[in-house]
Amino acid sequence: EAQVTQNPRYLITVTGKKLTVTCSQNMNHEYMSWYRQDPGLGLRQIYYSMNVEVTDKGDVPEGYKVSRKEKRNFPLILESPSPNQTSLYFCASSLLGQYRDNSPLHFGNGTRLTVT
Amino acid sequence: AQKVTQAQTEISVVEKEDVTLDCVYETRDTTYYLFWYKQPPSGELVFLIRRNSFDEQNEISGRYSWNFQKSTSSFNFTITASQVVDSAVYFCALSGLIQGAQKLVFGQGTRLTINP
Repeated sequence: EAQVTQNPRYLITVTGKKLTVTCSQNMNHEYMSWYRQDPGLGLRQIYYSMNVEVTDKGDVPEGYKVSRKEKRNFPLILESPSPNQTSLYFCASSLLGQYRDNSPLHFGNGTRLTVT
Repeated sequence: AQKVTQAQTEISVVEKEDVTLDCVYETRDTTYYLFWYKQPPSGELVFLIRRNSFDEQNEISGRYSWNFQKSTSSFNFTITASQVVDSAVYFCALSGLIQGAQKLVFGQGTRLTINP
C-alpha cells in the first residue's frame, strides 16, 4: 500500500531534549516536506527536499533540522525543543515536486508533539 | 507573495443543508494550482481536488462541487445535502513557484460541523 509513515504518532518531551520524528515513503517520490499545523494558522512549511541530499528551508525553519540521505526517508530533528514547538507535525511527499508537476501531496498521519 | 485566505473559521449546519466553504487566493503567477484537502477528526489529511489556473470549469464529484473564478481569485467548495461524516476541517491550498521552488501554501482552514 502506497503511504507516508510517520513515527511516533504522539510524543511528550521536555525542553532541550533532542528528538527525531521519522518519515518514510514507499512511492519513490522525489519531493518530501515537513509541515506544522497550529490552530488558526493552517499548515506551515518547515523544510522541504527536492531530492536526495537536496534540502531547503520553508517558512518556519527555525529550531529544526532535516536530512535526506536516502530517497525514502526524511527525518525531522529538533536539537533543543522548546514549548513553542508544541504542534501537530505532518510529513508529505509528491512525485516530482517540480513546478510543472503539481501532483497532490500525500500526507502522513501526523505526529502530535508536546514540549513541556 | 502567495497567500490563501479562508475567512470562515467555523461553520455549523444541520444535516442535509447545503454549505459553501470560501477560499480566496493571491498570487502573481500565471500558472498555478489550487487544492482542497479534508482533515477528519482522526487527523489525517485527505486530498480532494486539484485545479490548474487555466481550467475554470466547475467540477462536481457526487455531493461535492467546486467553483473556480479567476476574476475574483476564488476557489469555493460546496457540499450539497451535507452529512455528519462531512464534519472535518477543510483546507484550501495554492501551489506556485516561490524562489525557484514549488511551494504549497495553505489557508487557515475551516472547521465544518454537521449536526444531526
